Amino acid sequence: SAVISQKPSRDICQRGTSLTIQCQVDSQVTMMFWYRQQPGQSLTLIATANQGSEATYESGFVIDKFPISRPNLTFSTLTVSNLSPEDSSIYLCSAGTGYSNQPQHFGDGTRLSIL
Amino acid sequence: AQSVTQLDSQVPVFEEAPVELRCNYSSSVSVYLFWYVQYPNQGLQLLLKYLSGSTLVKGINGFEAEFNKSQTSFHLRKPSVHISDTAEYFCAVSDHGSSNTGKLIFGQGTTLQVKP
Repeated sequence: SAVISQKPSRDICQRGTSLTIQCQVDSQVTMMFWYRQQPGQSLTLIATANQGSEATYESGFVIDKFPISRPNLTFSTLTVSNLSPEDSSIYLCSAGTGYSNQPQHFGDGTRLSIL
Repeated sequence: AQSVTQLDSQVPVFEEAPVELRCNYSSSVSVYLFWYVQYPNQGLQLLLKYLSGSTLVKGINGFEAEFNKSQTSFHLRKPSVHISDTAEYFCAVSDHGSSNTGKLIFGQGTTLQVKP
């Protein structure tokens, strides 16, 4: 199974700044996913990133706030822009084949706190 | 639209006791079902999955789950838990649709607290 490395593992940021999270996969994958996990909550899908095309955002998430890049089949970034305390969460990336009968593989997450 | 409901937010249990974590799903189409575990400060790890065939599926760490189509359930069980099983458990569903990109819908999670 794919091994996912996510950086940074945690960060503390000031309001109004931005943070870019990197996700590196040790093999080529079709789909990469970005999730938000608010404290004590489940995972909410932010967007799906397919290499070579624009990311597909879920309802309630917009590109201006959460721009995503997917430059190749092993790497993706998520930027959380104009940070506010409500953005304090764990952000997780995962990788998948694009087939619904195949599991996703997850990174360890980025724990973001906003001052 | 699909949804997943984990009926218990927290399940306290003593070490070596059996445990069941409940999961029900709602979908108008056939689905694939997954259980993931999240240990503190880690990402999610796949425990097991149901795709088709036998309704009883076995996973890692001694866990198993039973798919019940009539009750739209996929409950997770372990006959004897260890302290190390203390973690958050997530049930997830993915539908068979051709437009699906492997997207998962997660339940709210169940915290399993194993006490000595």
